[in-house]
Amino acid sequence: KNQVEQSPQSLIILEGKNCTLQCNYTVSPFSNLRWYKQDTGRGPVSLTIMTFSENTKSNGRYTATLDADTKQSSLHITASQLSDSASYICVVPNAGNMLTFGGGTRLMVKP
Amino acid sequence: GAGVSQSPRYKVAKRGQDVALRCDPISGHVSLFWYQQALGQGPEFLTYFQNEAQLDKSGLPSDRFFAERPEGSVSTLKIQRTQQEDSAVYLCASSLTSGSPGETQYFGPGTRLLVL
Repeated sequence: KNQVEQSPQSLIILEGKNCTLQCNYTVSPFSNLRWYKQDTGRGPVSLTIMTFSENTKSNGRYTATLDADTKQSSLHITASQLSDSASYICVVPNAGNMLTFGGGTRLMVKP
Repeated sequence: GAGVSQSPRYKVAKRGQDVALRCDPISGHVSLFWYQQALGQGPEFLTYFQNEAQLDKSGLPSDRFFAERPEGSVSTLKIQRTQQEDSAVYLCASSLTSGSPGETQYFGPGTRLLVL
């Protein structure tokens, strides 16, 4: 069973709308959680990193939240743009300090 | 800017052929990682180098996979006797120092391998 699970698997929204992507993890012990954006045909790019003590962190129109008690994180995208179309991947290091990736949410923003 | 580069970007191989994938990390980065990403999935860890030392190769799926970084900079991932299940995108990433979980990894664009 994957230790990092994301939902939904895919999502289509209209330009200008907001959306929220979910990540549940079972990786333990917890050190940090990252959200990556991966454009088609490109490598992932880090959007934000959340540590145990952080509940919310924003990066422009992206806001990540973390609930370490329930082991859940979300990524909220505000006022979506066409360029937001990409896969969004949740990443948590495992006990061996190697990154464990979720399967990603494929977001498509339509005009 | 001088990010992580990978070559070739696309590779088509006949089953049974050997392939070599190259990664040029960001200059001066100590740590280098290889990942395999199947279609529609997240990347999965293959192996990790700190300078020229391969510290973790637990993710390599079989002994047909071999990686090296002889001078602590450029790395090559070699796949011998390729199989159809090896078809995937192979991503390389580098990080500045030890590759600790809090350190940002910078990814290359990947090599898309298709085995026919």
